[in-house]
Amino acid sequence: QQPVQSPQAVILREGEDAVINCSSSKALYSVHWYRQKHGEAPVFLMILLKGGEQKGHEKISASFNEKKQQSSLYLTASQLSYSGTYFCGTERAGGTSYGKLTFGQGTILTVHP
Amino acid sequence: EAGVAQSPRYKIIEKRQSVAFWCNPISGHATLYWYQQILGQGPKLLIQFQNNGVVDDSQLPKDRFSAERLKGVDSTLKIQPAKLEDSAVYLCASSLVGQSPRQGQYFGPGTRLTVT
Repeated sequence: QQPVQSPQAVILREGEDAVINCSSSKALYSVHWYRQKHGEAPVFLMILLKGGEQKGHEKISASFNEKKQQSSLYLTASQLSYSGTYFCGTERAGGTSYGKLTFGQGTILTVHP
Repeated sequence: EAGVAQSPRYKIIEKRQSVAFWCNPISGHATLYWYQQILGQGPKLLIQFQNNGVVDDSQLPKDRFSAERLKGVDSTLKIQPAKLEDSAVYLCASSLVGQSPRQGQYFGPGTRLTVT
C-alpha cells in the first residue's frame, strides 16, 4: 500500500523552512527520501531505519517515528537548489522482498528568490 | 565511481510494437530494480533482482513485460506488445542491499517511452 505524503505542494522563499511528512498504514523497517528535479532521475538523500533515529545532511534532516509509522523531512533555510519533487519510499517490516520500496505520490517543493 | 547507465534515453513506438531497455548498474551492486514512473506519480517497482535471480516481480504485467539479468550484471526490460498506457519513464536503480547496514538506491537517467 502506497505511503501518503503531505503536503502535496509547498512554495517557499529562500531562507524559509519546510516540513514534508510521509505516513504508512503498515509497519515499516525503513524509510528512504529522494529528490527528483524535472526531467532527471531521483537522487537518494537519506535512509532511516526503525528505531526512531534522526539523520541530517547539511540543512536537510529527517526523523522516523516507529510507533506512528511516520517520517518527516525537514528542510532548513531553504536554497533555490532545494526545488524539486520529494518522494518517500517505504520498506515494510517483515517483508518478503528485502529492500523493496513503495513510493509516495511526491511533494512538489518550489523555492523562490 | 560511474553511475547507473541506461539506454536508450528516449523511444517512440506505435502501439503493438515491441521495445527493449538496457541497464548497467553501479559496479559491485548486487541488487537491481526496474521502476515505471508515470508523469506526476512516484516510481512503481516492476521487478527486483538479487544477482541474477528474481526477488520480486509481483507488479510486473507478465503478459507483456519481461526482464532478465544475465550474469548478475546488466539487465534488459522488454515490452511486447506495447499499449498506450505503457507511456512512462522506465528507471533502473541499483543498491548494495543484502548487506548491512541498509543502503540507498541509486537511479539511472531513465528511458522516456512514448507509445502512439
